[in-house]
Amino acid sequence: DSGVTQTPKHLITATGQRVTLRCSPRSGDLSVYWYQQSLDQGLQFLIHYYNGEERAKGNILERFSAQQFPDLHSELNLSSLELGDSALYFCASSVGQGNDSPLHFGNGTRLTVT
Amino acid sequence: GQQVMQIPQYQHVQEGEDFTTYCNSSTTLSNIQWYKQRPGGHPVFLIQLVKSGEVKKQKRLTFQFGEAKKNSSLHITATQTTDVGTYFCNPNTGNQFYFGTGTSLTVIP
Repeated sequence: DSGVTQTPKHLITATGQRVTLRCSPRSGDLSVYWYQQSLDQGLQFLIHYYNGEERAKGNILERFSAQQFPDLHSELNLSSLELGDSALYFCASSVGQGNDSPLHFGNGTRLTVT
Repeated sequence: GQQVMQIPQYQHVQEGEDFTTYCNSSTTLSNIQWYKQRPGGHPVFLIQLVKSGEVKKQKRLTFQFGEAKKNSSLHITATQTTDVGTYFCNPNTGNQFYFGTGTSLTVIP
């Protein structure tokens, strides 16, 4: 158990809809990262937050947004969903701002867009 | 954002054979991490290498960081079925968020 909690585990929705994925980091971790993993693909970095502030953006679409709240949990919002958005979305957390601390991943949220 | 290439992309080995995956960067890295993702699972941190030429071992796994700190390798001796999964490097160029493309290992019993 990594200590990172992601909800929901599975999500099935239709094209054009909007969903929110939630992540609670490990106790004591200030950084939260979001990754997208499509079927048999690698880990695509989306965004990084540290202590409530956005620190880095990766390959995140404009239809996607995220935030980290004062209690350090984070939410990833995906809107105007397309079939291609179907993927496994991972949240990871780390102690520091990212350069030299291991990332601890949650079990992921599997999103299916129909 | 760019991903660092890992080679090979896929590897099938007979149980008991050795396996190596390579992570190659065009820029000098401050450190590199390795992760393993079992089928259906999430990536799990294995190790971090920091020093030039560093070699670390974890049982049958040997991790190396190149002298120029641009390349790294993960070698598994005498693979077992429990080694099945995808191995990702996480090269840190000051921006550690981009993982390598991954090497998927299949072990044939």
